[in-house]
Amino acid sequence: DVKVTQSSRYLVKRTGEKVFLECVQDMDHENMFWYRQDPGLGLRLIYFSYDVKMKEKGDIPEGYSVSREKKERFSLILESASTNQTSMYLCATRPGLAGGGELFFGEGSRLTVL
Amino acid sequence: GEDVEQSLFLSVREGDSSVINCTYTDSSSTYLYWYKQEPGAGLQLLTYIFSNMDMKQDQRLTVLLNKKDKHLSLRIADTQTGDSAIYFCAEIPIYNQGGKLIFGQGTELSVKP
Repeated sequence: DVKVTQSSRYLVKRTGEKVFLECVQDMDHENMFWYRQDPGLGLRLIYFSYDVKMKEKGDIPEGYSVSREKKERFSLILESASTNQTSMYLCATRPGLAGGGELFFGEGSRLTVL
Repeated sequence: GEDVEQSLFLSVREGDSSVINCTYTDSSSTYLYWYKQEPGAGLQLLTYIFSNMDMKQDQRLTVLLNKKDKHLSLRIADTQTGDSAIYFCAEIPIYNQGGKLIFGQGTELSVKP
């Protein structure tokens, strides 16, 4: 079975703190994605990566950065958390572009910034 | 630009049929998807349809695609309380860099006993 693990299900941070959200997959998938999910807005793509050390901006990259040093791990970094980054963050993977649109999602990390 | 629209809420009684609707703007989309998100979980692919198809049926699920109107629907027959979830429509426009999925806002389906 495909497994996408997000290390933290719930986090509470203070404004200005640096936040790391980790995502690990065990399927040897090339593509990895970070989305944020907000009520009424659906899923919005923050960053994605096609391969190790490669990253591309999504639709809402401001205030975020990512790191992909190993194929199985894709990290989302909030350099200085702000209250408007309170959200549910979802990591997803896909075998490659030829794999069509099936994404495999983690269970999500709910971040609250006070 | 790329846009996928869904209504936010749908409430039905157990045993009735549910119809969740979606409109999209990009006629070049090659694949259209329905994902399901159960409470406290990530999304899971429910079904998909190729753009050269009008209909796809899979047990209780029927997907209808009207390319002329850019309208996609998901019908769930004999809806059960376990079908309560958020349903997301998604597309991949053919020119979209990297095959990124564009998601709708999600429709929260509530099934009452």
